[in-house]
Amino acid sequence: GIQVEQSPPDLILQEGANSTLRCNFSDSVNNLQWFHQNPWGQLINLFYIPSGTKQNGRLSATTVATERYSLLYISSSQTTDSGVYFCAVERSADSSYKLIFGSGTRLLVRP
Amino acid sequence: DAGITQSPRYKITETGRQVTLMCHQTWSHSYMFWYRQDLGHGLRLIYYSAAADITDKGEVPDGYVVSRSKTENFPLTLESATRSQTSVYFCASSEPHRGPNIQYFGAGTRLSVL
Repeated sequence: GIQVEQSPPDLILQEGANSTLRCNFSDSVNNLQWFHQNPWGQLINLFYIPSGTKQNGRLSATTVATERYSLLYISSSQTTDSGVYFCAVERSADSSYKLIFGSGTRLLVRP
Repeated sequence: DAGITQSPRYKITETGRQVTLMCHQTWSHSYMFWYRQDLGHGLRLIYYSAAADITDKGEVPDGYVVSRSKTENFPLTLESATRSQTSVYFCASSEPHRGPNIQYFGAGTRLSVL
């Protein structure tokens, strides 16, 4: 099956710093989503981004489908950005709409 | 706009007992999914459903049973709970026939099997 690898696994930032999270995937995809899991466990959709670039406030994401990776940028980080960030993909050859998740990047933003 | 709700939020049970986790969505989404989240594994798909009365196995279906008699509900049953089923369970829904397959998640159920 498709492999989804996220890096780094853990990241500690000082408030105000910028960061880049990476998601590599091993097969062509027609769906890629980034999620934020907050400290209370809730999964929040950040981006639906199978290709191209999107921005939402301090967050932006870029997916280069031909090279099989996606990047999530967090600028001017805040303590509320802490949590786990997941990348999830839907394989193009799979018509079942299932998402395969990476293991996540755990982010801690210190005040 | 209730969205997608899971109940209970927390559950403690004993090995061998049957337990059912509930999932309800108000969007009339055709697709619904059950995932489990364990440390170091991200989320793994247990079962999914494309419509009422249509269900299929995901990556880790053993020990679980699902049903979907109504579009809005997708209960997950552990017929005889084991300690290895201690986990956080998430339900999700999406409507890929009306746009992109964006999955929306419930708040999760934390299950402990003693």
